Amino acid sequence: AAGVIQSPRHLIKEKRETATLKCYPIPRHDTVYWYQQGPGQDPQFLISFYEKMQSDKGSIPDRFSAQQFSDYHSELNMSSLELGDSALYFCASSLVGGGWETQYFGPGTRLLVL
Amino acid sequence: ELKVEQNPLFLSMQEGKNYTIYCNYSTTSDRLYWYRQDPGKSLESLFVLLSNGAVKQEGRLMASLDTKARLSTLHITAAVHDLSATYFCAGPGSSNTGKLIFGQGTTLQVKP
Repeated sequence: AAGVIQSPRHLIKEKRETATLKCYPIPRHDTVYWYQQGPGQDPQFLISFYEKMQSDKGSIPDRFSAQQFSDYHSELNMSSLELGDSALYFCASSLVGGGWETQYFGPGTRLLVL
Repeated sequence: ELKVEQNPLFLSMQEGKNYTIYCNYSTTSDRLYWYRQDPGKSLESLFVLLSNGAVKQEGRLMASLDTKARLSTLHITAAVHDLSATYFCAGPGSSNTGKLIFGQGTTLQVKP
């Protein structure tokens, strides 16, 4: 079965640089979520989109922005990177349907900021 | 906002033993999710519990939900080394958008 695809899988950036993370949800899923997981931490919700509209926003820095495109893929743009942005970034997708069903997580993008 | 707490945070056990991971949450919720994560890997969905009294089993893992007590449990029966991983419970942080609030995670180490 098709899974959530994320690219790139690994990314190394310098401080103050910009990064773009991409997410391709499971086909026919209408909702995309972004989470950030620091080392030894639990995943923290950043932002979500339902049918290409932002549906919720969590503890996402103003330096980050995201959008969902017409083909339902999503991109997380991160500017002025800081050392503390080093983390695993997960995208998850779900089909809302009649309720909040399981969120399926992608493999993650490991971002290292030097 | 929903707060989710797991107990214990670290569990070392011998193969063949049984144990339970507890997940308490702070506000009323009609659903609870369990995920497994291997080091550096993605989160794998284990169970979705959608109603009070729900019980689901998959192999050596069984999860249950008590919405009145705001408690979910993940019971491990006759643990094997392959179950070594970090287990997260998560609840919906919003009734409208589905975002998940995760517990701290329980790292399970099963020794031969």
